[in-house]
Amino acid sequence: NAGVTQTPKFQVLKTGQSMTLQCAQDMNHEYMSWYRQDPGMGLRLIHYSVGAGITDQGEVPNGYNVSRSTTEDFPLRLLSAAPSQTSVYFCASSPNLLSGANVLTFGAGSRLTVL
Amino acid sequence: QQQVKQSPQSLIVQKGGISIINCAYENTAFDYFPWYQQFPGKGPALLIAIRPDVSEKKEGRFTISFNKSAKQFSLHIMDSQPGDSATYFCAAGNAGKSTFGDGTTLTVKP
Repeated sequence: NAGVTQTPKFQVLKTGQSMTLQCAQDMNHEYMSWYRQDPGMGLRLIHYSVGAGITDQGEVPNGYNVSRSTTEDFPLRLLSAAPSQTSVYFCASSPNLLSGANVLTFGAGSRLTVL
Repeated sequence: QQQVKQSPQSLIVQKGGISIINCAYENTAFDYFPWYQQFPGKGPALLIAIRPDVSEKKEGRFTISFNKSAKQFSLHIMDSQPGDSATYFCAAGNAGKSTFGDGTTLTVKP
């Protein structure tokens, strides 16, 4: 049981480049989300999904795009990377809303540096 | 507008002492209050959680105290150990969305 798997663990981009952070979970969780973690600012919600085909914006969605074609996968796309997007990104999943959607299982994180 | 305020930002405790981290929230719609523990290079992991109909929950050395009227909750770590050194985040959740505090870096000195 791998839990939540994120790739890559580290990535360096140049300003303007695009890339996709991958997230996969094998727990059959309906709810998946992306957070960014910056020093002294906790975790801020970027986008989330309550099930396949359904996504919504979180607190800081600008510059990011998501899709949810399957229950297992929830990729995060950076459309045109900016230095302000330098951060550690965490994917998290949880069971459906009825059985405890607030209990998050996090991946190990992806550290992104934009030059 | 920060919906969950956490303090202190950092905390140093001697081994065997009590570590106390406080959080305050604003949105009364929150119905789930978890604490997460994060070690360097790792993702946060659920430590303990409480619902607003309970004033206290204890799991081993970890206790959450919850004051609904004051909209405050706190984490107490009894008999703190060097292995407890980590960053702790409080959070408040509703309908699947969680709002996090800024985190507290705990250092337990041997």
